[in-house]
Amino acid sequence: QVQLQESGPGLVKPSETLSLTCTVSGGSITNYDWSWIRQPPGKGLEWIGYFYGGGATKYNPSLRSRVTMSINTSENQLSLRLSSVTAADTAVYYCARLSMGYDDTGFYHFFEDWGQGTLVTVSS
Amino acid sequence: ENVLTQSPGTLSLSPGERATLSCRTSQSVSNRLLTWYQQKPGQAPRVLIYGGSTRATGIPDRFSGGGSGTVFTLTISRLEPDDFAVYYCQQYGNPLTFGGGTKVEIK
Repeated sequence: QVQLQESGPGLVKPSETLSLTCTVSGGSITNYDWSWIRQPPGKGLEWIGYFYGGGATKYNPSLRSRVTMSINTSENQLSLRLSSVTAADTAVYYCARLSMGYDDTGFYHFFEDWGQGTLVTVSS
Repeated sequence: ENVLTQSPGTLSLSPGERATLSCRTSQSVSNRLLTWYQQKPGQAPRVLIYGGSTRATGIPDRFSGGGSGTVFTLTISRLEPDDFAVYYCQQYGNPLTFGGGTKVEIK
């Protein structure tokens, strides 16, 4: 089990870019696949995108034009950038490790390890 | 986008009772691609069931998942005090989507 810790500014102004970092410990970031998921206060979960260990990315179409995910292998960190933010982007942002593959019963896919989350508020 | 609708929104039950939570999808989903999570206040979600019916590591056998097509269920056979929380279903698709959640509260 790896440990994940999100960090970044808790307050971002409208129209600016939200930047968060997820520091991974207990394993090499390139050995796993990752996601960012967010949760507006009091609401449900929204998947933002994947960063696969091989370097490929896949984003939620609803956010694709504004999202960039990347990794820093020397720091073992995953990063999220979300541009042109509005109040609707106010949420707790989680990074999560994806567990995906095949077992005796077939394909599986789930988010196995999660960070504690970090609240980002978009406000002037 | 595959929309997941969870019902009921809130389930009020007593410890020891059986809880049955429903997750309906707008498009058919392989049960292998359906996952259930539990979330407690101030905490990140925790995986309970993946592949529709496989309990994740450390999850007690009072939790079970089932269903197929567009209707899936999470059953908690006998509620323990630690089980009162919000439960989310999630499907693996493009895009990946979550249900709106069912809150299981103490009656």
